[in-house]
Amino acid sequence: KAGVTQTPRYLIKTRGQQVTLSCSPISGHRSVSWYQQTPGQGLQFLFEYFSETQRNKGNFPGRFSGRQFSNSRSEMNVSTLELGDSALYLCASSLMTGSGYTFGSGTRLTVV
Amino acid sequence: GIQVEQSPPDLILQEGANSTLRCNFSDSVNNLQWFHQNPWGQLINLFYIPSGTKQNGRLSATTVATERYSLLYISSSQTTDSGVYFCAVDNYGQNFVFGPGTRLSVLP
Repeated sequence: KAGVTQTPRYLIKTRGQQVTLSCSPISGHRSVSWYQQTPGQGLQFLFEYFSETQRNKGNFPGRFSGRQFSNSRSEMNVSTLELGDSALYLCASSLMTGSGYTFGSGTRLTVV
Repeated sequence: GIQVEQSPPDLILQEGANSTLRCNFSDSVNNLQWFHQNPWGQLINLFYIPSGTKQNGRLSATTVATERYSLLYISSSQTTDSGVYFCAVDNYGQNFVFGPGTRLSVLP
């Protein structure tokens, strides 16, 4: 079966712009979680969606938002980009909250 | 929140050597996974192991939930085993919390 698909793979944006990242989970998986990975902070939880509802949210400013569609695909949006938002953004899908994760290949965002 | 520690932070091995990576967590968990992050950044699931022992080829893992630790064993290491190994735990229905990782370098 197809894995978790994240698009785009690479992205370069300018400070102040906004960006939207996409994640298509494994077929049948209803939970999608997003993580930010930076060299200094490691892997940090952003949020989790299940059946179009945000179930959990990490400690990130309101500039970071997300949503999930009825087909379980999820998007995350970052507005007013800052240099510190440069990171690898990873999406994981699972059957339900708390079950095992499968990760996508990630989107590497560079803010200049 | 739950804390996850991993040791050692860095490990350098000669090809063919064996190694043990450790993950300690500060509270009871209902899920635990080991991941390998390849040079391109993708996290590959190695084991989903909230308790007990599992083996997959040269890799095996053991989680002793009552003592709050998990071990990942790599035998006969290969250069392709290089990368960062992460332990992640789920504290009962919340999000997975990741440890800082162990960076493994296997030299030919």
